[in-house]
Amino acid sequence: AQKITQTQPGMFVQEKEAVTLDCTYDTSDQSYGLFWYKQPSSGEMIFLIYQGSYDEQNATEGRYSLNFQKARKSANLVISASQLGDSAMYFCAMREAFPNDYKLSFGAGTTVTVRA
Amino acid sequence: DTAVSQTPKYLVTQMGNDKSIKCEQNLGHDTMYWYKQDSKKFLKIMFSYNNKELIINETVPNRFSPKSPDKAHLNLHINSLELGDSAVYFCASSQDKGLAGLAGDTQYFGPGTRLTVL
Repeated sequence: AQKITQTQPGMFVQEKEAVTLDCTYDTSDQSYGLFWYKQPSSGEMIFLIYQGSYDEQNATEGRYSLNFQKARKSANLVISASQLGDSAMYFCAMREAFPNDYKLSFGAGTTVTVRA
Repeated sequence: DTAVSQTPKYLVTQMGNDKSIKCEQNLGHDTMYWYKQDSKKFLKIMFSYNNKELIINETVPNRFSPKSPDKAHLNLHINSLELGDSAVYFCASSQDKGLAGLAGDTQYFGPGTRLTVL
């Protein structure tokens, strides 16, 4: 079964507007971590933000925030005030505590294109 | 002062050849990984090593052999390359202490190696 689902293959957003990227996850663990990565066209994977399953506050990092709804098993990424440099593919990922094999399970990704 | 580095960045080779990709991290991390990103951009774990010990071998053909000479290095050797091996291979590392229950350690990725098998 797919552990991470990203239902939006591609999105367009106007510069300076906010965009929300959807991510739902599937786990029976109580302890897990959720991550978002950015992959620009140059190919590298850039860590953006992390949310722990026990964290009560939604994570924020600059213009990135994570809308964590535990009961719904969703961890949506919100990018505020979009910039042209935000055009990239975005991946949601999860690491479960058990089994403790350290691996990240990734979603299929969402391509974001920011329009001037 | 790149945190996770990989060489080479591009690798073009013929079917049947043997090739290696090297990875080094200077973050002092305990765990290193190899991921494969296919043509559809899907990322999948191949191997993980914690303190030079193999933790995950995720149904990878035995033509792929990781080698960790020390905690800072994790190399990937591929024998008898096939067309289907063409992909981008990412090395990553994280600070994991191997304690059950910890899920919060961020993985930092190298720049990737684009392997093309002709």
